[in-house]
Amino acid sequence: GAVVSQHPSRVICKSGTSVKIECRSLDFQATTMFWYRQFPKQSLMLMATSNEGSKATYEQGVEKDKFLINHASLTLSTLTVTSAHPEDSSFYICSARVGDTQYFGPGTRLTVL
Amino acid sequence: QQQVKQSPQSLIVQKGGISIINCAYENTAFDYFPWYQQFPGKGPALLIAIRPDVSEKKEGRFTISFNKSAKQFSLHIMDSQPGDSATYFCAGSGTYKYIFGTGTRLKVLA
Repeated sequence: GAVVSQHPSRVICKSGTSVKIECRSLDFQATTMFWYRQFPKQSLMLMATSNEGSKATYEQGVEKDKFLINHASLTLSTLTVTSAHPEDSSFYICSARVGDTQYFGPGTRLTVL
Repeated sequence: QQQVKQSPQSLIVQKGGISIINCAYENTAFDYFPWYQQFPGKGPALLIAIRPDVSEKKEGRFTISFNKSAKQFSLHIMDSQPGDSATYFCAGSGTYKYIFGTGTRLKVLA
């Protein structure tokens, strides 16, 4: 149980385009999901908390207009990187909360050319 | 106040040996301490977790030792195997958000 999927696993896009990443809880419902960003050989950096049916809560320093988060259902949260630039290239990971435990997706590697 | 300090940054262990990773936290409001294992290019996977009312928890080859007064906890991997080679993250949580340690890259030599 507690499986989280992400799609796509890898995406390459041109600078200035927008990219949408989906995060799904496959066998459970998650009122709260999280989006993280991870740079090579570094820890996970929390970007925002996504709550079903309400606006996401962004961490300090994260541009909410650049990283749009939508949690439209109890099993789906999406992260849209708008007007992506090379500095947005990173590994993006979502997680879904069950009680105190977070279950992580497999991650999405974004490369912006 | 919110930091979780993790050490060592990297660790090399012989096959069959014991791997020990340490974490220290500052926020006394933390009440949940999970450990995650992450392979390159993959998302973190939950290994084991503990609450501060317990001093030790064991699951298979993985054991968490918890010292509430010292605000420290550690992961012990017994009989370490090459397949355990990965990056390990500790975390502390007092609400629903996690504060992660900086990670330990473990390499188990065959």
